[in-house]
Amino acid sequence: NAGVTQTPKFRILKIGQSMTLQCTQDMNHNYMYWYRQDPGMGLKLIYYSVGAGITDKGEVPNGYNVSRSTTEDFPLRLELAAPSQTSVYFCASSYSPQATNEKLFFGSGTQLSVL
Amino acid sequence: GQQVMQIPQYQHVQEGEDFTTYCNSSTTLSNIQWYKQRPGGHPVFLIQLVKSGEVKKQKRLTFQFGEAKKNSSLHITATQTTDVGTYFCARGSFKTIFGAGTRLFVKA
Repeated sequence: NAGVTQTPKFRILKIGQSMTLQCTQDMNHNYMYWYRQDPGMGLKLIYYSVGAGITDKGEVPNGYNVSRSTTEDFPLRLELAAPSQTSVYFCASSYSPQATNEKLFFGSGTQLSVL
Repeated sequence: GQQVMQIPQYQHVQEGEDFTTYCNSSTTLSNIQWYKQRPGGHPVFLIQLVKSGEVKKQKRLTFQFGEAKKNSSLHITATQTTDVGTYFCARGSFKTIFGAGTRLFVKA
């Protein structure tokens, strides 16, 4: 099991450019999440999905879009990159929040700089 | 609203000293989770507490959940350099909300 895999690991964008951060998991988890982590800060929830075809906004969704066409994949799209989106992005997954001792499994992150 | 507050923001200790980080909420928590993030790494789940007054131990780590389920703590006994990193508390196992974390520095 690879767990949660994110690509790319690093990326530099110019203001106004677009890109997609890829996330895939091989644990057959229903729930997937995108978080961003600014330097020295905690994680803020951007979007989440409870299953294929179902997505919803988290705490900080502005400037981002997501889709969930399969159980495995949950890409995050930045349409018009802005300096405020410079951050480390983490994808995470879990089987079911109702399960005992349920926990989040995180990918290794994507470090994004918008200049 | 649903935020969890963590203190302190940073802690510098000498190797062998103890360390404690605290997590507080203004509302009752259904559960509290703790994660550790090594420098340059990703958060890794440590434990979940659910019951009022619950205490759990993992080797040198002791986790407590308050009687009112509004606060929690993580205590590390006799820190080691391998304990370096940021410790996050988080509320909920769905749309999990994270505290800002306590960054632990350990001097050998």
